[in-house]
Amino acid sequence: SYVLTQPPSVSVAPGQTARITCGGNNIGTKSVHWYQQKPGQAPVLVVYADSDRPSGIPERFSGSNSGNTATLTISRVEAGDEADYYCQVWDSSSDHVVFGGGTKLTVL
Amino acid sequence: EVQLVESGGGLVQPGGSLRLSCVASGFTFSSYSMNWVRQAPGKGLEWVSYISTYSSTIYYADSVKGRFTISRDNAKNSLSLQMNSLRDEDTAVYYCARHDQWLKYWGQGTLVTVSS
Repeated sequence: SYVLTQPPSVSVAPGQTARITCGGNNIGTKSVHWYQQKPGQAPVLVVYADSDRPSGIPERFSGSNSGNTATLTISRVEAGDEADYYCQVWDSSSDHVVFGGGTKLTVL
Repeated sequence: EVQLVESGGGLVQPGGSLRLSCVASGFTFSSYSMNWVRQAPGKGLEWVSYISTYSSTIYYADSVKGRFTISRDNAKNSLSLQMNSLRDEDTAVYYCARHDQWLKYWGQGTLVTVSS
């Protein structure tokens, strides 16, 4: 089955740029979606189809996808961005929704 | 406003059964496929099951195949998950989520605890 690999943690100072990666075999050929989850809350979609933003999501959130790595970039990081982030794809070979293991973003 | 409200969670003994429900509002339920996703305490998100608009296509994660059954009632805007032969490792918050290729709308989740 298809595997998505994320770093367990990323730390960044306020105002800096955070980059969270999601690795997968030829992930650049798939459509990648990103979710933010804060403690005790349901996940929130922050980027879909590699680089599109749902309404209400700040422009500071952006995404890219190429080769074997997709990346969620959060510019001008704020304390409120501290959360777990998950990447997700649809694996057509197994007809499964697949999530990455999640990355905890810490704002220093 | 799109809303998804899960119910049916609780404490169940290993080997027992539980039925979860998710009631949808704010959109045409029959036009969208739906998913169940779970999250064990302190762990990441795990996809459980998918059902297409008129139930013609159903998929399950290997971890629940043969034990869980997903279903829907479009007339009642309702999604269900019948969980049998429950194991300790099924302990999790279970979310229903609308399938738009991505999962834009999620419920608040219902906690299932499998323990003796």
